[in-house]
Amino acid sequence: DQQVKQNSPSLSVQEGRISILNCDYTNSMFDYFLWYKKYPAEGPTFLISISSIKDKNEDGRFTVFLNKSAKHLSLHIVPSQPGDSAVYFCAASAPSGTSYGKLTFGQGTILTVHP
Amino acid sequence: KAGVTQTPRYLIKTRGQQVTLSCSPISGHRSVSWYQQTPGQGLQFLFEYFSETQRNKGNFPGRFSGRQFSNSRSEMNVSTLELGDSALYLCASSTSGNTEAFFGQGTRLTVV
Repeated sequence: DQQVKQNSPSLSVQEGRISILNCDYTNSMFDYFLWYKKYPAEGPTFLISISSIKDKNEDGRFTVFLNKSAKHLSLHIVPSQPGDSAVYFCAASAPSGTSYGKLTFGQGTILTVHP
Repeated sequence: KAGVTQTPRYLIKTRGQQVTLSCSPISGHRSVSWYQQTPGQGLQFLFEYFSETQRNKGNFPGRFSGRQFSNSRSEMNVSTLELGDSALYLCASSTSGNTEAFFGQGTRLTVV
C-alpha cells in the first residue's frame, strides 16, 4: 500500500520556465510534508516543508502548495535552472505516537531542466 | 555546522557475513532514523532512535538492528547478509523526530 505517490516518473522543462512536481497521499494522519532533492549515490537534500495548518510555503525559488481536501501537494520551482536537474522526492510524516522519526517517501520524479 | 556523517561510504561484503554502519548526527540532534534505498522499493524506513531508545521500527526482518549512544551517534547492524540487502543505507537526523530530517551521504552496501 503506497501511501505517498508521485505519479509522474519524469518531467522535462526548459531553463527559466516553471517546474511543477506533484504528490498525492492517502493517509489522513499525515500532517507534515517535505520535499527533498537527490543526486545518484548521495543522500537526499532537504528543500522545503509544510505543515498541514498551512496551504502554502515559500523559500526563494521553491514554493510548496498543500490541498488537504484533495490530499495533494505540489512543488513549484520558478525559474527552473539546469542545476535543478535531479530526482525529487515528496515525503510525509505523522509526527506523533508511534510515527516518530518516520518519513514515508514517494517513488520520486526525475526532473530534467534543459538549457 | 557539520552535517550528518556516515561511515563507511562503500562496503562490499559476502553473503552470510554481518556489517555495521555508523552515523554521526548534526550536533544537537537527538533523533536518528535509518532508511534503505533500492531501485525496486525506493526509500524505506528501517528504524528511529531518540535518546538511546528505539521509538519506531519499519517492516524489516530482525536481522536489521541498531542502537544509539549517549552522544546520539547511531550504528546499524545487518546480520547474515543476503544478496537483496545490497542497497544505499541512509541515516537522517532531526532535533526531535518531529521536524525536518537531514540526511547523510549514505553507505553503499554491496553483498556478493
